[in-house]
Amino acid sequence: EVQLVESGGGLVQPGGSLRLSCAASGFTFSSYWMSWVRQAPGKGLEWVANIKQDGSEKNYVVSVKGRFTVSRDNAKNSLYLQMNSLRAEDTAVYYCAREQQVYEFDFWGQGTLVTVSS
Amino acid sequence: SYVLTQPPSVSVAPGKTARITCGGNNIGSKTVQWYQQKPGQAPVLVIYYDKDRPSGIPERFSGSNSENTATLTISRVEAGDEADYYCHVWDSSSDHHVFGGGTKLTVL
Repeated sequence: EVQLVESGGGLVQPGGSLRLSCAASGFTFSSYWMSWVRQAPGKGLEWVANIKQDGSEKNYVVSVKGRFTVSRDNAKNSLYLQMNSLRAEDTAVYYCAREQQVYEFDFWGQGTLVTVSS
Repeated sequence: SYVLTQPPSVSVAPGKTARITCGGNNIGSKTVQWYQQKPGQAPVLVIYYDKDRPSGIPERFSGSNSENTATLTISRVEAGDEADYYCHVWDSSSDHHVFGGGTKLTVL
């Protein structure tokens, strides 16, 4: 059974940092692109970043470029999102999601809440 | 950047057909996905590659995509279909995933 479990969310002050993790199981993690998608309270879905199977390619939404870094450890079946210089508008539930052949997100984690507030 | 436009809300009576649109410039040239999200839950893929259904998704869910509009159609709507629905594409010109703003489906 495919499982994605996020962790690392919490309350952080503006300008602070946080590292999210996503533990994958039930599939060959190293064979898939992976993404982070976020959802601000009461708002829609926003794609944040993705990373190729071997970590050699990464893409970011403009609003986080230069502040967030996506990475992965295929030996640990884990995906990460390092978030620096956090802003109030980064407050959201962050989901990790598996990408499939025609770019669909076929499995999602349950999400982890990040709150940026003083 | 590529923009997907959805109506904020759609209402339908039980047993009727709901159609949720997703507008985008020449979206017919892209592959479209649709997700269902119920309150407090993660999104669930209901349509991929414009019209294909993942295993476990009822045949009542179907999709189409042509020119500037993609459509999610839910036939014989049930109370349990009440949720937010999001369309999604990969924009190869920017190497970005893009979501529509979401449509709240209300079953009357």
